[in-house]
Amino acid sequence: EAGVTQFPSHSVIEKGQTVTLRCDPISGHDNLYWYRRVMGKEIKFLLHFVKESKQDESGMPNNRFLAERTGGTYSTLKVQPAELEDSGVYFCASSQDRGVSRQFFGPGTRLTVL
Amino acid sequence: DAKTTQPPSMDCAEGRAANLPCNHSTISGNEYVYWYRQIHSQGPQYIIHGLKNNETNEMASLIITEDRKSSTLILPHATLRDTAVYYCIVRAPGEGGSEKLVFGKGMKLTVNP
Repeated sequence: EAGVTQFPSHSVIEKGQTVTLRCDPISGHDNLYWYRRVMGKEIKFLLHFVKESKQDESGMPNNRFLAERTGGTYSTLKVQPAELEDSGVYFCASSQDRGVSRQFFGPGTRLTVL
Repeated sequence: DAKTTQPPSMDCAEGRAANLPCNHSTISGNEYVYWYRQIHSQGPQYIIHGLKNNETNEMASLIITEDRKSSTLILPHATLRDTAVYYCIVRAPGEGGSEKLVFGKGMKLTVNP
């Protein structure tokens, strides 16, 4: 069974540019989560999809971040325009059920904004 | 904010048991205790979870005190590959509740040869 995959693994962009991160969850997992760790801080939750619906987006930092999950399969996280403080590692996770279910994490995308 | 307290770091000798403590004195009756770890720069990895009974799987054992205010993750025979940051997380499941994991600073376990 393939795990959670993320693309790209690394991205280096300049301030003001746009970047789109992609996450492919484990097949059949309705729940998809985005987290990030910035500049040595703790891993922070960004948002949670149930299928194509945003269930909880309380962790989204501002309106420069847009997450989508059209069709309820893969998800994209767009940062536009990127700022220096957006540099960090963005993790995606998926789970089969809600509640007690464990979350499976992808390897992350390392974003560097210059 | 994280609802758990862990020591910042711990060392363990290879082949010995590693006992990782966690305090969660404000845990609610419906909150589970989860353990995840992050090896180097990989994504976090689920280890185990429990409510009030002790749990064991192929990776570790989880011992939860009777008052549920603390727990211990036990790696029975630590290997060098167990060197990682370990996160103790409490979370309530169920409809209407947030599904997010709240990661604190975690505890860096170093397994020495």
